[in-house]
Amino acid sequence: AQTVTQSQPEMSVQEAETVTLSCTYDTSENNYYLFWYKQPPSRQMILVIRQEAYKQQNATENRFSVNFQKAAKSFSLKISDSQLGDTAMYFCAFKDNYGQNFVFGPGTRLSVLP
Amino acid sequence: EPEVTQTPSHQVTQMGQEVILRCVPISNHLYFYWYRQILGQKVEFLVSFYNNEISEKSEIFDDQFSVERPDGSNFTLKIRSTKLEDSAMYFCASSEGGGGLAYATQYFGPGTRLLVL
Repeated sequence: AQTVTQSQPEMSVQEAETVTLSCTYDTSENNYYLFWYKQPPSRQMILVIRQEAYKQQNATENRFSVNFQKAAKSFSLKISDSQLGDTAMYFCAFKDNYGQNFVFGPGTRLSVLP
Repeated sequence: EPEVTQTPSHQVTQMGQEVILRCVPISNHLYFYWYRQILGQKVEFLVSFYNNEISEKSEIFDDQFSVERPDGSNFTLKIRSTKLEDSAMYFCASSEGGGGLAYATQYFGPGTRLLVL
């Protein structure tokens, strides 16, 4: 079974600084999908960024980018120019090419400090 | 931008009662899902639904749970006889059909917070 690990339970960053959240996963599949979701205090799950494993180019969405290292099974999220509204729980999620369910990591609680 | 919606946002029920959680997926999506998140824990998959039947379910999704698409827009999760440990946030999600990243991406609703007393 696939597993997703987020080794940083909590992190903090100063406003306007850059922070990187780590995610590693375990799979024997060659093609799969990876996602980062943000869960603010309202607890809604909001899609931040996504990546397909067979595409080597790292995905970017405005201030959010990923560093996808397929051989290392690593999918880290970089947030540039951090804003107070980025304060949230961040979940890394994995989906293989066959099943339908997501496997979520335990989350990293990010606090952006003024 | 289309969104997944869920009702109610909060529900309090007595142990042993039946609850129905409702979701309206994004209108052109074909796959529907339920997840739950016990407070402070990770999000866990419950069930997926496609073409009017369950396509995949986890070991959490036992006989106390059922899902239904009663009409062309709603997708429901029923818990027949609630237990204290069913207290959690329940998320509905939906995704498009087809292959690739669009198919794989799931869009989540705002959740229903269920408290069983």
